[in-house]
Amino acid sequence: EVQLLESGGGLVQPGESLRLSCAVSGFTFSNYAMSWVRQAPGKGLEWVSAISGSGVSTYYADSVKGRFTISRDDSKSTLYLQMNSLRAEDTAVYYCAKLERYSYGPTQFDYWGQGTLVTVSS
Amino acid sequence: EIVMTQTPLSLSVTPGQPASISCKSSQSLLHSNGKTYLYWYLQKPGQSPQLLIYEVSNRFSGVPDRFSGSGSGTDFTLKISRVEAEDVGVYYCMQSIHLPFYTFGQGTKLEIK
Repeated sequence: EVQLLESGGGLVQPGESLRLSCAVSGFTFSNYAMSWVRQAPGKGLEWVSAISGSGVSTYYADSVKGRFTISRDDSKSTLYLQMNSLRAEDTAVYYCAKLERYSYGPTQFDYWGQGTLVTVSS
Repeated sequence: EIVMTQTPLSLSVTPGQPASISCKSSQSLLHSNGKTYLYWYLQKPGQSPQLLIYEVSNRFSGVPDRFSGSGSGTDFTLKISRVEAEDVGVYYCMQSIHLPFYTFGQGTKLEIK
């Protein structure tokens, strides 16, 4: 059974940093690209970032480029999102999602985690 | 940047009746390889999104056959032949051809009458 389990969310002040983790099981992590998608309270889904299966290629939404860094540790089957210079508008539930291919490209998010809430407020 | 527009934004359906959701993209989702990269997701209350339909009309593993997808180019439709209570939630369409950004529609909330 495919499982994705996010952790690391919490309450932080504007300008602070947070690192999210997503531990996966049930599939060969190193064979798939991965992504982060967020959902602000009461709002829709917004793609945030993605990383290829090799970890060499990374991609970011304009809203987080230069502040967020996605990475992966295949030895731990874990995906990360380092979030710096956090803003109130980054408040959201952050989901990790598995892409149905190795390289970043046209495909679906076929499995999602349960999400972790990040709240940025003073 | 591509825009995905869903209609209606909400609908209330009697159990056993059909339901239909439209999704229109501002640019064609047809790839040169012949595939069309349009997907449908359902986010049930309090849950994470789950994949229903991939590449316009293919049901994901375990998805009941009352769900069907159709369309081409820029116009797509998700149909539920007979709505059940467990189908409540928010439905999202998504495109993945105009990368690097995956883009979602704004969502359609389905309620049961």
